[in-house]
Amino acid sequence: DGGITQSPKYLFRKEGQNVTLSCEQNLNHDAMYWYRQDPGQGLRLIYYSQIVNDFQKGDIAEGYSVSREKKESFPLTVTSAQKNPTAFYLCASSQDTPGTEAFFGQGTRLTVV
Amino acid sequence: AQSVTQPDIHITVSEGASLELRCNYSYGATPYLFWYVQSPGQGLQLLLKYFSGDTLVQGIKGFEAEFKRSQSSFNLRKPSVHWSDAAEYFCAVGVRQAGTALIFGKGTTLSVSS
Repeated sequence: DGGITQSPKYLFRKEGQNVTLSCEQNLNHDAMYWYRQDPGQGLRLIYYSQIVNDFQKGDIAEGYSVSREKKESFPLTVTSAQKNPTAFYLCASSQDTPGTEAFFGQGTRLTVV
Repeated sequence: AQSVTQPDIHITVSEGASLELRCNYSYGATPYLFWYVQSPGQGLQLLLKYFSGDTLVQGIKGFEAEFKRSQSSFNLRKPSVHWSDAAEYFCAVGVRQAGTALIFGKGTTLSVSS
């Protein structure tokens, strides 16, 4: 089955540690996205990538980094510079064509203690 | 810049009653419009989308939405709500330009009472 796989589903880290969230898709989509979800805030865009080896900052990129070395993979690193990293993180992908919908993974809940 | 507003944070509807969730957008041209649904702790599932043409769009699970250009709105409706419809609903806007991401509203939580 085609889809987007995020792992792990739950992640706990100590304050000050970097952590990497995995996102893999087998939909052959060009574009991939990372959103952060907090209660009452909706989805806020962290980073997105249209093609391999290229990515753009979204609205809340500070404290995060990404890479896009393969079309299928778009990992997100939450660095120690992110002041409030505890949140639900959603990865999505789409064809890079105007108007096409995004397909979402099941999310990773990150808790920093 | 484009934006999406969902005026209702939380709505409670009786099972079997009709439902309307509001969505307003701000964009200089006609955008692409989407409604997604999210169950707790899960990803988002697409309910329906509007690109062009007929302003009344049918989606999955018995949902429909109507695009009204004059009101910059794209409200989601369902004639008869089921308990399983309890979830969070997000309206999203896409612009007519490659290399951009969807912009989401803050969501409306739907509770269904028996």
